[in-house]
Amino acid sequence: GENVEQHPSTLSVQEGDSAVIKCTYSDSASNYFPWYKQELGKGPQLIIDIRSNVGEKKDQRIAVTLNKTAKHFSLHITETQPEDSAVYFCAATGVDSSYKLIFGSGTRLLVRP
Amino acid sequence: DVKVTQSSRYLVKRTGEKVFLECVQDMDHENMFWYRQDPGLGLRLIYFSYDVKMKEKGDIPEGYSVSREKKERFSLILESASTNQTSMYLCASSLYGTNTEAFFGQGTRLTVV
Repeated sequence: GENVEQHPSTLSVQEGDSAVIKCTYSDSASNYFPWYKQELGKGPQLIIDIRSNVGEKKDQRIAVTLNKTAKHFSLHITETQPEDSAVYFCAATGVDSSYKLIFGSGTRLLVRP
Repeated sequence: DVKVTQSSRYLVKRTGEKVFLECVQDMDHENMFWYRQDPGLGLRLIYFSYDVKMKEKGDIPEGYSVSREKKERFSLILESASTNQTSMYLCASSLYGTNTEAFFGQGTRLTVV
């Protein structure tokens, strides 16, 4: 089945710096790639997503890039702020059912003031 | 705003007990999901449902069952709780079809002693 690998597992940056989280997926048939942010004590919340017919998508300080040939996609956060500190998950649609999202293992981002 | 509500934030149960985790969504979503979240493993799909009384196994269904008698409610059942089922359980819902945003509840932290 589909496998999603996410790196790094932890990331610490200075406020104002950029943060990049990378994911790779195994099946070229996957065509939907969302990113979720999970704050302490809460469920994950969608922050941005990208579909396979698009190479890049941007929403204010957040951007996602997709390289279908290499089967990897990345989350970029610019001008990081302390409130960006959270756990971030990437996901890709499953091979045998695109109802299913297969999640990466998560990245704990710490933004130091 | 979409609201996905899980009946308990914290539960402590004894080994061998039958445990019910309840989830209700208020947006008339067709799809509902149960995930399990463990450190370093991301979110793993236990079961999902795309319609009333319909269910499909996810990646880790062993030891679990589900029930969906009404569109808005999706229950996860641990037939005989074991200590290795101690975890955070997350319910989610999404609109009919594929590749649509999943909305998560706040999670239930279950401890089996």
